[in-house]
Amino acid sequence: KAGVTQTPRYLIKTRGQQVTLSCSPISGHRSVSWYQQTPGQGLQFLFEYFSETQRNKGNFPGRFSGRQFSNSRSEMNVSTLELGDSALYLCASSLGQGRVDEQFFGPGTRLTVL
Amino acid sequence: AQSVTQLDSQVPVFEEAPVELRCNYSSSVSVYLFWYVQYPNQGLQLLLKYLSGSTLVKGINGFEAEFNKSQTSFHLRKPSVHISDTAEYFCAVEAGGTSYGKLTFGQGTILTVHP
Repeated sequence: KAGVTQTPRYLIKTRGQQVTLSCSPISGHRSVSWYQQTPGQGLQFLFEYFSETQRNKGNFPGRFSGRQFSNSRSEMNVSTLELGDSALYLCASSLGQGRVDEQFFGPGTRLTVL
Repeated sequence: AQSVTQLDSQVPVFEEAPVELRCNYSSSVSVYLFWYVQYPNQGLQLLLKYLSGSTLVKGINGFEAEFNKSQTSFHLRKPSVHISDTAEYFCAVEAGGTSYGKLTFGQGTILTVHP
């Protein structure tokens, strides 16, 4: 079974631009969560989607948004990029069947904002 | 709200020695506990999880952890480490209920195994 895939793996953007990251979950998984990883703040939860609905959201500004499609693939968008948005963005998928379950992580997208 | 504290940011150890990576959590509700490992330039891989049942949990690569509710701890142990165990380890909790899909992570412990 294929794992979680994220595209692109690396991105370089400049301040003020916007970016869209993509995540394809494991087949059959309906929940997708996004996390930001930085050396200073560690791993922080961004948001979680299940069946195209955002169920949970972390403490990030409105510049960070996401969506999920009917095939469970998810995208996150960051508008008006700031230098501090440079990070590894990880997505994770799980069955999401109304109970806590293991989250399977993708390799991440490394975003650099110049 | 939940929080996770990993008590050691770095743990150096010699090959074949035992190791313990410490994790404490705080939560006002029941939690589910996880340990993940991250190798350089990679995502996170699950080592083990505690969802219910036996408080001693065995995971991959010879790791185990014990859930101690009274001490709110979930320490990770391995009796004999290998060079290939060098990586960063993260303890995480999920509260369930309305927090499905939301993992709260500790700051990570870098385990360095020396020959």
